[in-house]
Amino acid sequence: RKEVEQDPGPFNVPEGATVAFNCTYSNSASQSFFWYRQDCRKEPKLLMSVYSSGNEDGRFTAQLNRASQYISLLIRDSKLSDSATYLCVVKSWQGKSTFGDGTTLTVKP
Amino acid sequence: SQTIHQWPATLVQPVGSPLSLECTVEGTSNPNLYWYRQAAGRGLQLLFYSVGIGQISSEVPQNLSASRPQDRQFILSSKKLLLSDSGFYLCAWTRQQNYEQYFGPGTRLTVT
Repeated sequence: RKEVEQDPGPFNVPEGATVAFNCTYSNSASQSFFWYRQDCRKEPKLLMSVYSSGNEDGRFTAQLNRASQYISLLIRDSKLSDSATYLCVVKSWQGKSTFGDGTTLTVKP
Repeated sequence: SQTIHQWPATLVQPVGSPLSLECTVEGTSNPNLYWYRQAAGRGLQLLFYSVGIGQISSEVPQNLSASRPQDRQFILSSKKLLLSDSGFYLCAWTRQQNYEQYFGPGTRLTVT
Protein backbone atom coordinates (compact mmCIF):
# COMPACT_ATOMS: atom_id res chain seq x y z
CA ARG A 1 0.00 0.00 0.00
CA LYS A 2 1.30 3.47 -0.88
CA GLU A 3 1.89 5.96 1.92
CA VAL A 4 -0.23 8.56 0.13
CA GLU A 5 -2.98 7.54 -2.26
CA GLN A 6 -5.02 9.61 -4.66
CA ASP A 7 -7.63 8.72 -7.24
CA PRO A 8 -5.72 9.35 -10.48
CA GLY A 9 -8.87 10.31 -12.37
CA PRO A 10 -9.12 11.81 -14.88
CA PHE A 11 -11.94 14.00 -13.67
CA ASN A 12 -13.68 15.63 -16.62
CA VAL A 13 -16.13 18.32 -15.54
CA PRO A 14 -17.95 21.21 -17.24
CA GLU A 15 -17.20 24.80 -16.40
CA GLY A 16 -19.00 25.91 -13.28
CA ALA A 17 -19.10 22.45 -11.74
CA THR A 18 -18.01 21.59 -8.22
CA VAL A 19 -15.41 18.86 -7.95
CA ALA A 20 -13.81 17.19 -4.94
CA PHE A 21 -10.61 15.20 -4.59
CA ASN A 22 -9.66 12.95 -1.72
CA CYS A 23 -6.28 11.78 -0.56
CA THR A 24 -5.60 9.13 2.07
CA TYR A 25 -2.40 8.67 4.03
CA SER A 26 -1.11 5.75 6.06
CA ASN A 27 1.18 7.39 8.63
CA SER A 28 -0.95 8.48 11.56
CA ALA A 29 1.96 10.59 12.89
CA SER A 30 1.94 12.87 9.83
CA GLN A 31 2.25 16.53 10.79
CA SER A 32 1.66 18.79 7.80
CA PHE A 33 -0.54 18.57 4.75
CA PHE A 34 -0.60 20.44 1.47
CA TRP A 35 -2.20 20.56 -1.94
CA TYR A 36 -0.08 21.42 -4.96
CA ARG A 37 -1.09 22.08 -8.52
CA GLN A 38 1.06 20.91 -11.43
CA ASP A 39 0.52 21.98 -15.00
CA CYS A 40 1.76 19.80 -17.84
CA ARG A 41 5.56 19.71 -17.96
CA LYS A 42 5.87 22.33 -15.23
CA GLU A 43 6.96 22.30 -11.63
CA PRO A 44 4.42 21.77 -8.83
CA LYS A 45 3.16 24.98 -7.25
CA LEU A 46 1.72 25.30 -3.80
CA LEU A 47 -2.05 25.66 -3.90
CA MET A 48 -2.77 25.66 -0.20
CA SER A 49 -1.80 24.24 3.14
CA VAL A 50 -4.37 22.12 4.93
CA TYR A 51 -5.18 22.94 8.54
CA SER A 52 -7.00 20.84 11.11
CA SER A 53 -9.86 23.31 11.22
CA GLY A 54 -10.21 23.37 7.46
CA ASN A 55 -9.39 26.37 5.33
CA GLU A 56 -10.72 28.20 2.33
CA ASP A 57 -9.07 30.31 -0.35
CA GLY A 58 -11.57 31.73 -2.79
CA ARG A 59 -13.14 28.84 -4.69
CA PHE A 60 -10.89 26.28 -3.02
CA THR A 61 -11.60 24.55 0.28
CA ALA A 62 -9.27 22.07 1.96
CA GLN A 63 -10.15 19.81 4.86
CA LEU A 64 -8.27 17.38 7.06
CA ASN A 65 -9.75 14.36 8.82
CA ARG A 66 -7.07 12.96 11.12
CA ALA A 67 -9.29 10.20 12.50
CA SER A 68 -9.88 8.75 9.04
CA GLN A 69 -6.49 9.90 7.75
CA TYR A 70 -7.57 11.74 4.66
CA ILE A 71 -7.49 15.22 3.25
CA SER A 72 -9.76 16.69 0.66
CA LEU A 73 -9.82 19.52 -1.83
CA LEU A 74 -13.06 21.05 -3.07
CA ILE A 75 -13.12 23.33 -6.11
CA ARG A 76 -16.28 25.33 -6.67
CA ASP A 77 -17.33 27.06 -9.88
CA SER A 78 -14.62 25.33 -11.93
CA LYS A 79 -12.79 27.41 -14.53
CA LEU A 80 -11.00 26.23 -17.65
CA SER A 81 -7.78 27.40 -16.02
CA ASP A 82 -8.27 24.92 -13.16
CA SER A 83 -7.32 22.09 -15.55
CA ALA A 84 -4.17 20.56 -14.07
CA THR A 85 -2.92 17.71 -11.93
CA TYR A 86 -3.48 18.15 -8.20
CA LEU A 87 -0.91 16.61 -5.87
CA CYS A 88 -1.55 15.74 -2.26
CA VAL A 89 1.50 16.07 0.03
CA VAL A 90 1.91 14.69 3.53
CA LYS A 91 4.84 15.62 5.75
CA SER A 92 6.10 13.54 8.65
CA TRP A 93 7.29 15.08 11.92
CA GLN A 94 10.85 14.58 10.66
CA GLY A 95 10.06 16.86 7.73
CA LYS A 96 9.95 14.20 5.00
CA SER A 97 7.39 14.95 2.30
CA THR A 98 5.53 12.16 0.56
CA PHE A 99 3.67 13.04 -2.61
CA GLY A 100 0.65 11.35 -4.05
CA ASP A 101 0.76 10.47 -7.74
CA GLY A 102 -1.78 13.21 -8.46
CA THR A 103 -5.34 13.59 -9.69
CA THR A 104 -5.88 14.96 -13.17
CA LEU A 105 -8.67 17.47 -13.68
CA THR A 106 -9.93 18.64 -17.06
CA VAL A 107 -12.52 21.41 -17.08
CA LYS A 108 -14.41 21.62 -20.37
CA PRO A 109 -16.39 24.52 -21.83
CA SER B 1 11.28 37.55 -2.07
CA GLN B 2 12.77 34.13 -2.55
CA THR B 3 13.51 32.58 -5.93
CA ILE B 4 14.93 29.23 -6.94
CA HIS B 5 16.84 28.57 -10.12
CA GLN B 6 17.70 25.37 -11.91
CA TRP B 7 19.73 24.72 -15.00
CA PRO B 8 19.81 23.51 -17.58
CA ALA B 9 16.11 23.40 -18.45
CA THR B 10 16.51 20.42 -20.76
CA LEU B 11 19.31 17.97 -21.30
CA VAL B 12 19.89 15.02 -23.62
CA GLN B 13 22.78 12.81 -22.61
CA PRO B 14 24.05 9.43 -23.81
CA VAL B 15 24.17 6.41 -21.53
CA GLY B 16 27.40 6.31 -19.57
CA SER B 17 28.01 10.05 -19.67
CA PRO B 18 28.38 12.18 -16.50
CA LEU B 19 25.71 14.52 -15.15
CA SER B 20 25.71 17.74 -13.19
CA LEU B 21 22.53 19.65 -12.40
CA GLU B 22 22.64 22.83 -10.38
CA CYS B 23 20.11 24.52 -8.15
CA THR B 24 20.46 27.85 -6.38
CA VAL B 25 18.15 29.70 -4.04
CA GLU B 26 18.06 33.46 -3.56
CA GLY B 27 16.52 35.59 -0.87
CA THR B 28 16.82 33.23 2.08
CA SER B 29 19.52 31.74 4.24
CA ASN B 30 20.05 28.22 5.57
CA PRO B 31 17.21 26.67 3.60
CA ASN B 32 16.44 22.97 3.59
CA LEU B 33 17.08 21.78 0.03
CA TYR B 34 15.68 18.79 -1.83
CA TRP B 35 16.17 16.90 -5.10
CA TYR B 36 13.18 15.03 -6.55
CA ARG B 37 12.71 13.03 -9.70
CA GLN B 38 9.40 12.63 -11.49
CA ALA B 39 8.99 9.91 -14.09
CA ALA B 40 6.43 10.49 -16.84
CA GLY B 41 2.90 10.34 -15.46
CA ARG B 42 4.10 9.55 -11.95
CA GLY B 43 4.48 11.23 -8.59
CA LEU B 44 7.60 12.81 -7.14
CA GLN B 45 10.33 10.61 -5.71
CA LEU B 46 12.62 12.20 -3.12
CA LEU B 47 16.27 11.57 -4.00
CA PHE B 48 18.28 13.71 -1.58
CA TYR B 49 17.77 16.39 1.02
CA SER B 50 20.11 18.71 2.86
CA VAL B 51 19.68 20.72 6.05
CA GLY B 52 23.02 22.52 5.76
CA ILE B 53 26.34 22.87 3.94
CA GLY B 54 27.94 19.49 3.43
CA GLN B 55 24.99 17.65 4.99
CA ILE B 56 23.33 15.28 2.54
CA SER B 57 20.80 12.55 3.21
CA SER B 58 20.03 9.99 0.55
CA GLU B 59 16.57 8.51 0.26
CA VAL B 60 16.99 6.08 -2.60
CA PRO B 61 20.19 4.15 -3.36
CA GLN B 62 21.19 4.61 -6.99
CA ASN B 63 23.98 5.95 -9.16
CA LEU B 64 23.27 9.58 -8.30
CA SER B 65 24.93 11.76 -5.69
CA ALA B 66 24.33 15.23 -4.31
CA SER B 67 26.49 17.93 -2.83
CA ARG B 68 25.92 21.25 -1.11
CA PRO B 69 29.10 23.28 -1.41
CA GLN B 70 27.45 26.56 -0.40
CA ASP B 71 24.45 27.48 1.73
CA ARG B 72 22.16 28.16 -1.20
CA GLN B 73 23.62 25.81 -3.81
CA PHE B 74 22.62 22.19 -4.34
CA ILE B 75 24.15 19.97 -7.03
CA LEU B 76 22.98 16.63 -8.36
CA SER B 77 25.59 14.48 -10.08
CA SER B 78 26.21 11.16 -11.69
CA LYS B 79 29.41 9.60 -12.97
CA LYS B 80 27.64 7.36 -15.49
CA LEU B 81 24.04 7.84 -16.54
CA LEU B 82 21.63 4.97 -17.06
CA LEU B 83 18.56 4.91 -19.30
CA SER B 84 16.43 4.71 -16.15
CA ASP B 85 17.81 8.09 -15.01
CA SER B 86 15.60 9.86 -17.55
CA GLY B 87 12.99 12.05 -15.93
CA PHE B 88 12.03 15.48 -14.68
CA TYR B 89 14.42 16.60 -11.92
CA LEU B 90 13.10 19.14 -9.48
CA CYS B 91 14.90 21.08 -6.80
CA ALA B 92 12.91 22.46 -3.88
CA TRP B 93 13.53 24.51 -0.76
CA THR B 94 11.78 25.07 2.51
CA ARG B 95 12.46 27.36 5.46
CA GLN B 96 12.00 24.73 8.11
CA GLN B 97 11.24 21.10 7.78
CA ASN B 98 7.49 21.28 8.39
CA TYR B 99 6.87 24.24 6.18
CA GLU B 100 5.68 24.13 2.58
CA GLN B 101 8.19 23.47 -0.20
CA TYR B 102 8.80 25.66 -3.22
CA PHE B 103 10.04 24.15 -6.43
CA GLY B 104 12.41 25.30 -9.13
CA PRO B 105 11.42 25.11 -12.81
CA GLY B 106 13.03 21.68 -13.19
CA THR B 107 15.41 19.98 -15.61
CA ARG B 108 14.01 17.53 -18.11
CA LEU B 109 16.68 14.85 -18.66
CA THR B 110 16.58 12.33 -21.48
CA VAL B 111 19.19 9.60 -21.46
CA THR B 112 19.62 8.03 -24.90
